[in-house]
Amino acid sequence: EIVLTQSPGTLSLSPGERATLSCRASQSVSSSYLAWYQQKPGQAPRLLIYGASSRATGIPDRFSGSGSGTDFTLTISRLEPEDFAVYYCQQYGSSPETFGQGTKVEIK
Amino acid sequence: EVQLVESGGGLVQPGGSLRLSCAASGFTFSSYWMHWVRQAPGKGLVWVSRINSDGSSTSYADSVKGRFTISRDNAKNTLYLQMNSLRAEDTAVYYCARGVTIPYYDFWSALEGYNWFDPWGQGTLVTVSS
Repeated sequence: EIVLTQSPGTLSLSPGERATLSCRASQSVSSSYLAWYQQKPGQAPRLLIYGASSRATGIPDRFSGSGSGTDFTLTISRLEPEDFAVYYCQQYGSSPETFGQGTKVEIK
Repeated sequence: EVQLVESGGGLVQPGGSLRLSCAASGFTFSSYWMHWVRQAPGKGLVWVSRINSDGSSTSYADSVKGRFTISRDNAKNTLYLQMNSLRAEDTAVYYCARGVTIPYYDFWSALEGYNWFDPWGQGTLVTVSS
């Protein structure tokens, strides 16, 4: 199965700053079948990005995804207070679907 | 509004059984593949099982194969997960999630799908402990 490694484990930033989250796959993710999710404490994950760069319905345009092959990035252009959360990447180009271990974006 | 509401979680002894349910509303349940994903306390997300739209095809993570059974009742808009021979390492919040699926047939002509998940239910906690 494809192993996804996210970095950094924790990102300490201030509101208004730019956040760059990385997701690296152990082998190429076919057709850029990669998604990103946001999870806040005590809540279910929420889909942000699919197909590596397509925003899900209702997701603000400060969230953007990029990458292909084995290297993918989620960028939050200007952090809002509600963006502090844990972010997971997920590949769906190979069975079984797998998730990264998560990156926590915390308030500095 | 699309909604998924899980139920059936609780405390169970090792070796015991539990059946989870996920009630769906706000969309045509019978048109979608459905999944179970779990999250151990303080840990990440792990895909557990999926079922296609008419229930004819299922798939499981190796860690639960032979112990868990996924099923659905399209007339009742409900997804199920029967969990048998439970172990301490099955302790987790179990989420049901609607799949956004690109179906394909694999090398052995079995139906598979490329799935991402949207939306997710709020989860139900399963604790396996004596």
